[in-house]
Amino acid sequence: QQQVKQSPQSLIVQKGGISIINCAYENTAFDYFPWYQQFPGKGPALLIAIRPDVSEKKEGRFTISFNKSAKQFSLHIMDSQPGDSATYFCAASIDYQLIWGAGTKLIIKP
Amino acid sequence: KAGVTQTPRYLIKTRGQQVTLSCSPISGHRSVSWYQQTPGQGLQFLFEYFSETQRNKGNFPGRFSGRQFSNSRSEMNVSTLELGDSALYLCASSFAEGGYEQYFGPGTRLTVT
Repeated sequence: QQQVKQSPQSLIVQKGGISIINCAYENTAFDYFPWYQQFPGKGPALLIAIRPDVSEKKEGRFTISFNKSAKQFSLHIMDSQPGDSATYFCAASIDYQLIWGAGTKLIIKP
Repeated sequence: KAGVTQTPRYLIKTRGQQVTLSCSPISGHRSVSWYQQTPGQGLQFLFEYFSETQRNKGNFPGRFSGRQFSNSRSEMNVSTLELGDSALYLCASSFAEGGYEQYFGPGTRLTVT
């Protein structure tokens, strides 16, 4: 099954809080899991990515947690800021192709 | 380093017409992928080109085609446009093939009337 299920569809978080977006997959052949951030009128921008042999990767305020046994991975945004308000997409790579989640619209309230 | 550029940024076409979109990748990148983005379907992979060869193709009808030139620039063509082809078409470039570390352009907004 080559699907990536992303949740929630939308998320509102207070400034300074932690934003958490989750993705789940079925196919264990996926070998690369990136997260992209997209602002209105712009193309998606690569935020952070992880390979399945690593359980966590942190870059600044952004952390990917990867649970291989549960076939889930999540994006945590610490100390969320209004500038983080955007749509976030998870994706997974298989057979030289990216399969995308449906996206999460994140709104950070000041 | 200049980013991925796409032209034109906006396009309005009529049903039945054809359209060609252009993408210039980041200098040194040899892989170009194309995606269709719609509110209902999200990001859908169209195809990937690497060193002028189509490496992978998504589940789209044959009306959607593309090519890549020796300078890695790529074009995407859609023939016999349908209303459902209205979407944001995104191009992404990367150094290696296969969807890893892709950098996206701003997209071409196509409206079919």
